[in-house]
Amino acid sequence: SQKIEQNSEALNIQEGKTATLTCNYTNYSPAYLQWYRQDPGRGPVFLLLIRENEKEKRKERLKVTFDTTLKQSLFHITASQPADSATYLCALNMDSNYQLIWGAGTKLIIKP
Amino acid sequence: ETGVTQSPTHLIKTRGQQVTLRCSSQSGHNTVSWYQQALGQGPQFIFQYYREEENGRGNFPPRFSGLQFPNYSSELNVNALELDDSALYLCASSPADSYTGELFFGEGSRLTVL
Repeated sequence: SQKIEQNSEALNIQEGKTATLTCNYTNYSPAYLQWYRQDPGRGPVFLLLIRENEKEKRKERLKVTFDTTLKQSLFHITASQPADSATYLCALNMDSNYQLIWGAGTKLIIKP
Repeated sequence: ETGVTQSPTHLIKTRGQQVTLRCSSQSGHNTVSWYQQALGQGPQFIFQYYREEENGRGNFPPRFSGLQFPNYSSELNVNALELDDSALYLCASSPADSYTGELFFGEGSRLTVL
């Protein structure tokens, strides 16, 4: 069966450390993989997109890797801050269709 | 530039009633998608509209229907509400020249069915 898995338990990280979130998928061949941030009661906010032929993408303190062999993406936040506390969702695009298939998200808590 | 706006932000209905949710897409975006997000879950794709036509549908029954208007705003209608329809309903728009699927979301409409 097809599924997308993210750490179901909250991830607690000390301020200043690097937070690493995992997104694993099975029986999908995504053209793109996206990461979004969602605060409680709000809509998701786009962070980064990585294509199937890219290994790594960076944006400021954020880094995403994409391993199509392992069927896994890692999302890193360096020099983490309490303001980074939120739920982070990964989503897959199969092709140019706008339909995204989402993981359930990982709640990240950055402690001062 | 105005972002995606949704209304109402919160509403309470009873089983069997009907509801209409509204969405104004971001300026320059001609594609609108609707998602349902249950508590603690990722969004689930309901359907997408492109130039006033339905352009893809997820695994939702026909009592979930929609419209897109010439100004690209959109409505989601749900008939015969069930308790399981309680969720955050998210509208997202996409720019006309994007082929990567990046979505711009509104803040959502929180529906509670009693």
